[in-house]
Amino acid sequence: GQQVMQIPQYQHVQEGEDFTTYCNSSTTLSNIQWYKQRPGGHPVFLIQLVKSGEVKKQKRLTFQFGEAKKNSSLHITATQTTDVGTYFCAGRPNQAGTALIFGKGTTLSVSS
Amino acid sequence: DGGITQSPKYLFRKEGQNVTLSCEQNLNHDAMYWYRQDPGQGLRLIYYSQIVNDFQKGDIAEGYSVSREKKESFPLTVTSAQKNPTAFYLCASSIDGRWVKDNEQFFGPGTRLTVL
Repeated sequence: GQQVMQIPQYQHVQEGEDFTTYCNSSTTLSNIQWYKQRPGGHPVFLIQLVKSGEVKKQKRLTFQFGEAKKNSSLHITATQTTDVGTYFCAGRPNQAGTALIFGKGTTLSVSS
Repeated sequence: DGGITQSPKYLFRKEGQNVTLSCEQNLNHDAMYWYRQDPGQGLRLIYYSQIVNDFQKGDIAEGYSVSREKKESFPLTVTSAQKNPTAFYLCASSIDGRWVKDNEQFFGPGTRLTVL
């Protein structure tokens, strides 16, 4: 079936280092969403990208949607301990009646 | 205070028993969703409902059932036919269930079900 692959599965960084997680789909996506889940919590919506090549920023977070609308990335500059959690991408294949497909997530740990 | 509530937070059941997980929202959202989360598996869609009195199977619907009699409520029943029911269950909602334009999903706090 259709899948949205996310890598890496885990990433540990020192506070202040950068972090990137990548999301890849085998099929063209109509849009992609990013969510963050803190340890013990529930996913919280971060952003949605719709246009080919779109780039959006939220403070230290930069989100990109690939030109072919098959991949996306989330980059965090100068990580902080508050960035700890699991980041999920969720894409909708570009065909009618298809639900969002979530990636398996990247779990980020940050040591100070 | 608007939001999604799921109860209880922790639930224990004996093998072979059906159990119903509650999900209520007061956000006036049309669409509601049930996901299952297992370690390292991300979120897998069980069932979703785009409008009252209508629902569709997701990727892993076997062993589960739902109802959507009211806009605010979307209970999930985990039946004895579900082979491995122990998991974290998340309910979500979004403003508009029509997939012409996506809206963000708002998640409840989840219910952790353990079948003994």
